[in-house]
Amino acid sequence: AQSVTQPDIHITVSEGASLELRCNYSYGATPYLFWYVQSPGQGLQLLLKYFSGDTLVQGIKGFEAEFKRSQSSFNLRKPSVHWSDAAEYFCAVGPTSNTGKLIFGQGTTLQVKP
Amino acid sequence: NAGVMQNPRHLVRRRGQEARLRCSPMKGHSHVYWYRQLPEEGLKFMVYLQKENIIDESGMPKERFSAEFPKEGPSILRIQQVVRGDSAAYFCASSPPEGRGNIQYFGAGTRLSVL
Repeated sequence: AQSVTQPDIHITVSEGASLELRCNYSYGATPYLFWYVQSPGQGLQLLLKYFSGDTLVQGIKGFEAEFKRSQSSFNLRKPSVHWSDAAEYFCAVGPTSNTGKLIFGQGTTLQVKP
Repeated sequence: NAGVMQNPRHLVRRRGQEARLRCSPMKGHSHVYWYRQLPEEGLKFMVYLQKENIIDESGMPKERFSAEFPKEGPSILRIQQVVRGDSAAYFCASSPPEGRGNIQYFGAGTRLSVL
């Protein structure tokens, strides 16, 4: 079955600390992988995506993610968190057919302490 | 280039009424997706449409829910005889024509409250 697991429901980090949000997936074939961010009451904004090639991808707002095929993981990282990064983060997988539904994880809520 | 537009942003209905949610995709996008987000949960796929065609409705409840994307005008998600369990945020996403990567751009959502 196709699924995405984000093991951490809530994470709290201090401003300026590093961040890693975990994402594991189960998919029948090599998927496209995405991280989205959702601020309260807002829609989803695409942070970054992995289609192929270099397994370390850079995104907006200083985020990066690494695709590890052997671990079926696509963890999101940021070296230094800012208070404005407090939001909910969703990992998603989708088919490589250019179209088709995305499967989302349950999300990780990030809280940033001053 | 305007993003994906959804309206209304908030919708309140009483049990048994109908809810109509609208979505205008980004300019040049021909694929529309609807997702539902229940409280404290991630987004769940409902339906995928192209102009005048339903491509994948595997996530749609069997009754009361329907979706369309007519040749002209926005995509509509229609919920008949709403119940309390329909209360959720409904997000629409659009993506460009095939060949340009499956990047879905999301609207701000419609938050449906059923009293």
